[in-house]
Amino acid sequence: DAGVIQSPRHEVTEMGQEVTLRCKPISGHNSLFWYRQTMMRGLELLIYFNNNVPIDDSGMPEDRFSAKMPNASFSTLKIQPSEPRDSAVYFCASTVRGRSYSYTFGSGTRLTVV
Amino acid sequence: GESVGLHLPTLSVQEGDNSIINCAYSNSASDYFIWYKQESGKGPQFIIDIRSNMDKRQGQRVTVLLNKTVKHLSLQIAATQPGDSAVYFCAEKNGDSSYKLIFGSGTRLLVRP
Repeated sequence: DAGVIQSPRHEVTEMGQEVTLRCKPISGHNSLFWYRQTMMRGLELLIYFNNNVPIDDSGMPEDRFSAKMPNASFSTLKIQPSEPRDSAVYFCASTVRGRSYSYTFGSGTRLTVV
Repeated sequence: GESVGLHLPTLSVQEGDNSIINCAYSNSASDYFIWYKQESGKGPQFIIDIRSNMDKRQGQRVTVLLNKTVKHLSLQIAATQPGDSAVYFCAEKNGDSSYKLIFGSGTRLLVRP
């Protein structure tokens, strides 16, 4: 089992550019979560999906952020346009709804917006 | 480490001693709690969980205690090892049908050799 796979591991981009973060959940997992981690705010839930459908996006900071899950094995988090305050580590996690509340996290994408 | 920064409470223990990491939660409706361990450059890793109808649960070298009266959770690590050095987070789930976990701010554990 390869676990939750995120790409890229590191991303450095200029302010105003579009950034796309990618996530492949564990095969068979039907719930997927995007979290953001910063020094000041800790781990914040941005959005989560059940069976590819967004259930709660109340944590998405603003309209510059969007997330999609076109199929059970892939999700993206897009920031357009990016700003320096978006710099953080973004984690994707997955679990099996109905079986476990404990998530398996990916290794994260460290985003730096300059 | 890259994942969290300089403002975390830190617990420093001698190798071989027991560690106790504490967490206060705010939502009395929370019905499930988890402890995660995060090593530098990695995502959080599940350690142990407990439901609100329990007050104690034991794993391998770890014990979680839940006191719902004062909304307090603790993680006890027996015979702490250098590999236990990490940031530890508690997380709670609201007692509804959602699968949202809300994370605490974390505690850094440093194990002295």
